[in-house]
Amino acid sequence: GQNIDQPTEMTATEGAIVQINCTYQTSGFNGLFWYQQHAGEAPTFLSYNVLDGLEEKGRFSSFLSRSKGYSYLLLKELQMKDSASYLCAVLDSNYQLIWGAGTKLIIKP
Amino acid sequence: GAVVSQHPSRVICKSGTSVKIECRSLDFQATTMFWYRQFPKQSLMLMATSNEGSKATYEQGVEKDKFLINHASLTLSTLTVTSAHPEDSSFYICSARDPAGGIYEQYFGPGTRLTVT
Repeated sequence: GQNIDQPTEMTATEGAIVQINCTYQTSGFNGLFWYQQHAGEAPTFLSYNVLDGLEEKGRFSSFLSRSKGYSYLLLKELQMKDSASYLCAVLDSNYQLIWGAGTKLIIKP
Repeated sequence: GAVVSQHPSRVICKSGTSVKIECRSLDFQATTMFWYRQFPKQSLMLMATSNEGSKATYEQGVEKDKFLINHASLTLSTLTVTSAHPEDSSFYICSARDPAGGIYEQYFGPGTRLTVT
């Protein structure tokens, strides 16, 4: 079956760095997405990786290793507004998005 | 960027009534739209994939007669929750894929919070 694993919850301090991991086992792979979702709101797109390596976009970076079925989202210089759930999703061989359960990130001052 | 709207944002209805939720792609034509449901503190659950001009594809366990989906045009898909019950209370989110986009990114609407009393 298809499976995406990410931690349920993480806590970090304002100004620090946090890494949210995602491992996946899917039927085929056509890319991996990270979305941010604040409570009561719809998800917003953060990043897309289809090739191995690190993609940097401001304070957020996303890494992919296809051979390991692994990705991480790196958030630097954490701000209180970064408190949200972070969803990992993989596009499978049928171009269907398979969603992880999300990681709730709590930022403390 | 691509914008998806959803209406209404919140709706309260009585048990047994039907509720229609609209999802529109405002600046692109979406051949494929997706309907999700999200319960509190849980992740997105795909309910169905809506293709313009054809029947929707429902995920296992989703009752097609209860959740009616119509994708009559390239910019509009509707979800009708028929004979709603309190257990249907949830956050319903639609998304759309822009076929002209370089990646298979889904653009999400703002969501509709349904409360059935």
